[in-house]
Amino acid sequence: DGGITQSPKYLFRKEGQNVTLSCEQNLNHDAMYWYRQDPGQGLRLIYYSQIVNDFQKGDIAEGYSVSREKKESFPLTVTSAQKNPTAFYLCASSIGDWDTDTQYFGPGTRLTVL
Amino acid sequence: DAKTTQPNSMESNEEEPVHLPCNHSTISGTDYIHWYRQLPSQGPEYVIHGLTSNVNNRMASLAIAEDRKSSTLILHRATLRDAAVYYCILRNSGNTPLVFGKGTRLSVIA
Repeated sequence: DGGITQSPKYLFRKEGQNVTLSCEQNLNHDAMYWYRQDPGQGLRLIYYSQIVNDFQKGDIAEGYSVSREKKESFPLTVTSAQKNPTAFYLCASSIGDWDTDTQYFGPGTRLTVL
Repeated sequence: DAKTTQPNSMESNEEEPVHLPCNHSTISGTDYIHWYRQLPSQGPEYVIHGLTSNVNNRMASLAIAEDRKSSTLILHRATLRDAAVYYCILRNSGNTPLVFGKGTRLSVIA
């Protein structure tokens, strides 16, 4: 089955630790995205990548880092510099046609920092 | 991207039609209107999109006003599985990702 996988579904970390969230897609999509969602809020864009080895900051990139070494993978690292990292993190991918593009989302990772 | 305005919440009875409104008075001629929905504890999923003409697919219909300053997502027969947050998003021709607002939380009553 084609789709987007995110692992793990739930993640707990101690304050001050870096943590990396996984996102893999087998849809052969060029573009990939990371969003953050806080309770009762909409999604906010952290980073996005239109092509391998290239990525751009979104609205709330501070305290996060990404890499795009392979087309199918776009891991997100939540660093200790992120002030309030507890949130629901969503990864998405799309073909990359900006006008009509459909984004496909993964199931999300719920990160709790203790 | 131009901004959209949606009601915070709406309620519907099961098996009745639902009309979810979206205002986008500053829409430009090249903005596409996209709708996504997010079921509880899941990632959003695509529902429908359009530019000028009304659109239908297996999930819903999209009615776009003639002046394009508003649109309505129509679910023809609401089911309990349609309870979700519905997002109306404008996408212009620039290379920018989707921008999600708070959407409309739809409750469906059995």
